[in-house]
Order: sequence, then structure tokens, then C-alpha cells
Amino acid sequence: EAQVTQNPRYLITVTGKKLTVTCSQNMNHEYMSWYRQDPGLGLRQIYYSMNVEVTDKGDVPEGYKVSRKEKRNFPLILESPSPNQTSLYFCASRAWGVAYNSPLHFGNGTRLTVT
Amino acid sequence: AQKVTQAQTEISVVEKEDVTLDCVYETRDTTYYLFWYKQPPSGELVFLIRRNSFDEQNEISGRYSWNFQKSTSSFNFTITASQVVDSAVYFCALSYTGTASKLTFGTGTRLQVTL
Repeated sequence: EAQVTQNPRYLITVTGKKLTVTCSQNMNHEYMSWYRQDPGLGLRQIYYSMNVEVTDKGDVPEGYKVSRKEKRNFPLILESPSPNQTSLYFCASRAWGVAYNSPLHFGNGTRLTVT
Repeated sequence: AQKVTQAQTEISVVEKEDVTLDCVYETRDTTYYLFWYKQPPSGELVFLIRRNSFDEQNEISGRYSWNFQKSTSSFNFTITASQVVDSAVYFCALSYTGTASKLTFGTGTRLQVTL
């Protein structure tokens, strides 16, 4: 089944404790992206990657890191989480090139709470 | 700069009523794409429709229909004979043809359908 898999679904952590949210897709998509969803703000892009070893900042990249060492994986790293990073996070992917602007496929989300 | 406005924060209807969710967008691009996503209570994001800026034909899919009007920069979504299963948050989103192809989301409209 074609899917984007995020782990964990729920995560509670304390300020300053490094964490990684994993994201993996099995559709051979070139483009991957991370969004955060906050009440009243919709979804905002954190980082995106157009292919392996190619990443760039979205609208709200502060406090986050990403890496794209393999095509299928795009982990989101919070080196020193703070309470304002409490949010619902979504990983997404889509094909590039011929399927230009094809719809994003989203993972099921990771609800992060930083205390 | 791109912007998507969903002025209706929350809508409540009784089952079998028709309901229209409004979406107004701003963009300077002449080529762009509009999307609707559904987020049911379980939290995942479900793609509903994509429309490109050159295609102003309305679309109907079962009880769902979409009205795209470039003259008013609107891409409204109507659910006919609403059902309880339609209860969800609905997001309108806009993408341009730039290299990043970021999706800019509206803030979402929460639809509550009751018996």
C-alpha cells in the first residue's frame, strides 16, 4: 500500500531534550516536506526536500533540522525542543517532474507536546 | 505572496442540509493550483480535489461539488445532503509552479454535521 509513515504518533518530551520524528514513504517520491499544524494558523511548511541531499527552508524553519540521505526517508530533528514547538506535525511527499504539482500525500501526523 | 482565506471558522448543520465552504485566494502567478483537503477527527489529511488555474469548469463528485471562479478568486466547496461522516476540518490550499511548489493552506473550516 502506498503510504507515508510517520513515527511516533504521539510524543511528550521536556524542554531541551533532542528528538527525531521519522518519516518514510514507499512511493519513490522525489519531493518530501514537513508541515506543522496549529489552531487558527492552518498548516505551515517547515522544510522541504526536492531530492536526496537537497533540502531547503520553508516558512517556519527555526528550531528544526532535516536530512535527506535516502530518497524514502526525511526525518525531522528538534535539537533543543521548546514549548512553542508543541504542535501537530505532518510529513508529506509527492512525485516531481512529470507529475508536477501532483497532490501531496500526507502521513498520519505526529502530535508533539513539549513541557 | 500567496494567501488563502477561509473566513468560516466553524459551521454547524443538520444532516441532509447543503453546506458551502468558502475559499478565497490571492496570488500573483498566472499559473497555479488549488486544492481541498479533508481532516476527519482521526487527524489524517485526505486529498479531495486539485484544480489548475486554466480550468474553470465546475466539478461534481457524488455529493461534493466545487465552484472555481477566477473573477472573484474563489474556489468554494459544496456538500449536498450532508452526512454525519462529513464532519471534519476542511482545508483549502494553493500552490504555484515555482521550484518549491509549496502548498499554502488556509486556516481551515470545521464542519459539524448533527442528526
